[in-house]
Amino acid sequence: DTAVSQTPKYLVTQMGNDKSIKCEQNLGHDTMYWYKQDSKKFLKIMFSYNNKELIINETVPNRFSPKSPDKAHLNLHINSLELGDSAVYFCASSQDLRGNSPLHFGNGTRLTVT
Amino acid sequence: AQSVAQPEDQVNVAEGNPLTVKCTYSVSGNPYLFWYVQYPNRGLQFLLKYITGDNLVKGSYGFEAEFNKSQTSFHLKKPSALVSDSALYFCAVREISANSGGYQKVTFGIGTKLQVIP
Repeated sequence: DTAVSQTPKYLVTQMGNDKSIKCEQNLGHDTMYWYKQDSKKFLKIMFSYNNKELIINETVPNRFSPKSPDKAHLNLHINSLELGDSAVYFCASSQDLRGNSPLHFGNGTRLTVT
Repeated sequence: AQSVAQPEDQVNVAEGNPLTVKCTYSVSGNPYLFWYVQYPNRGLQFLLKYITGDNLVKGSYGFEAEFNKSQTSFHLKKPSALVSDSALYFCAVREISANSGGYQKVTFGIGTKLQVIP
């Protein structure tokens, strides 16, 4: 069974559209994250949720809205997509908020905005 | 702010030779340090971590890392490289986020591409 799964794997869309990416973890972890990896492979945290509560919001444009219906799910909705949003988006989870808990990553969603 | 630096964009090593991927850190207190590996079209996988204790940390797939406080380094090593070790390697550090009311987050280095040559 996949520990952290995200869908879709690929997403191609036009500027101005709204799209969502879904993420689910079956590890029983309390904390979930969204990371963005750009074309140079630089990885930057976007959001962190702990037990459905927003913990970290790293000055991401408010076009990005995460939603956590329960602690096993963290979805990402993006409004009015822009060319610069093209990247690979990774969902991750960790046992808890403590920084010594390793992160478990999904396989990514490659978003291409044309 | 706490950070990690990976000074090499790419490391090339012959199969069977020892490999080292370098990482240095900058923290205000005691560091929590991690190594992750990313294979093509996959998410990052945890390899090992240093929290406290022995300076030599052993991890997955035969990798190990040496914590050196005086040199503020946490280099990743393996005695004998395999072609299948070719991937992108990320060093990471725990950091207190200014935007999260003191909660901790993990910040990644820019990554080092390891190429093992048959």
